[in-house]
Order: sequence, then structure tokens, then C-alpha cells
Amino acid sequence: GAGVSQSPSNKVTEKGKDVELRCDPISGHTALYWYRQSLGQGLEFLIYFQGNSAPDKSGLPSDRFSAERTGGSVSTLTIQRTQQEDSAVYLCASSSGTSGTDTQYFGPGTRLTVL
Amino acid sequence: TQLLEQSPQFLSIQEGENLTVYCNSSSVFSSLQWYRQEPGEGPVLLVTVVTGGEVKKLKRLTFQFGDARKDSSLHITAAQPGDTGLYLCAARKSNTGKLIFGQGTTLQVKP
Repeated sequence: GAGVSQSPSNKVTEKGKDVELRCDPISGHTALYWYRQSLGQGLEFLIYFQGNSAPDKSGLPSDRFSAERTGGSVSTLTIQRTQQEDSAVYLCASSSGTSGTDTQYFGPGTRLTVL
Repeated sequence: TQLLEQSPQFLSIQEGENLTVYCNSSSVFSSLQWYRQEPGEGPVLLVTVVTGGEVKKLKRLTFQFGDARKDSSLHITAAQPGDTGLYLCAARKSNTGKLIFGQGTTLQVKP
């Protein structure tokens, strides 16, 4: 498939555990974004990558959240010591550029539930 | 404080009715986008508007960007059950491409 893929599609974890969420962007897309969406709500920006560097990490809610991107492709979002308020759908998007008219293509998301 | 205010947040109508969704802000944007999201999927881009006063049509959907580039509307004519979904407006606040989203409008069209 040529779209953005994310894994796992669903993740249930216990409070205090660490989780890793994976994003495979569209091949050749240099920009990659992570967003978080609470039930039925709009998306909240977390972090943006241009290549392997992250010029904008301003949306990460706390130092328990981190992300990396390797080889200009796959990205991993890690949440340490998960809390119940971390429960949400985590969406990844990629684009070929960052201009105002560039299209961001979204993956289907990972639904995270923290018990 | 929500940078982009969408209204209404929820809309339930009968098939064949018309509706308008609004996206308002006190900030000026260089471009604004509308997305549609279905359950279990990521948002899909419907349109991008960049010029103040611009009107774009996509079949039964009409999008307008305000003259001052602070607000936008989405009008659906003769809504159909297939239009059901979450509609999101989004704008860029910087050159990073990072999108700021409104809280969304959940549309339900009953047959």
C-alpha cells in the first residue's frame, strides 16, 4: 500500500507502563507529524519531523513523551510511565513539503487505552 | 483558548436538508483546510483555500474563505447519509506545516 501506516492499531496498557507507537510514512515524504485526538474532538499537534530532526516539539505534553525518526522514514512515539489521561487516538501524518498548500496524509491512528 | 472555533459541534439532519458549518478565529491565516474523518480512520483532506474571499466547490460541498482570511465556512447542499462524519477545519500558524485544528463538527445525516 502507498499510504501512511501505523502500528499497533489498538494498544491497551496498564498505568505506569511504557508504550511505543510506530508510524511508516509515505515513501519519499520528508515531513512527518504526530497528533493526538481525544474522543470526537479535533487533533492536537505533538511533534514535527523534517528528515530525522525535530524542529518543533512544542506540542509534547510532558517529558514522558518522546519521538524519534530514523533514516528519514519510520518514526516511533514513546510514552513512558503512561497515565490514564494519555488515553487517546495517536495519529501520524506525512507530507512531501511544508508549504501552506501541501497535503498531509494521515494514517488510521493507534487507539491507546491506559487502564 | 481554542485558536479555531467550529460551530456547531454536533448536527443531526434529515437527508436532503442543507447545512453550514463555520470555522472562526481572531488570527489571520495564509491558508485554511477542511478535512473529513470517518470512524477508525485518519482525516482526509477535502479542500485548501488560500485567497481571501475564495470560494471552492466540490460536488455538493461549497467552501468559502473569509475576506480577511480569519474565518471559513462549509456548506453542504442536499445532504446524504454518506456525508455523515466528523468535519474538521485546520490552519497553519507557521512555516513548519504544523496544523492547528478546530474541535470538529460531527454531522449525522438520517435517511
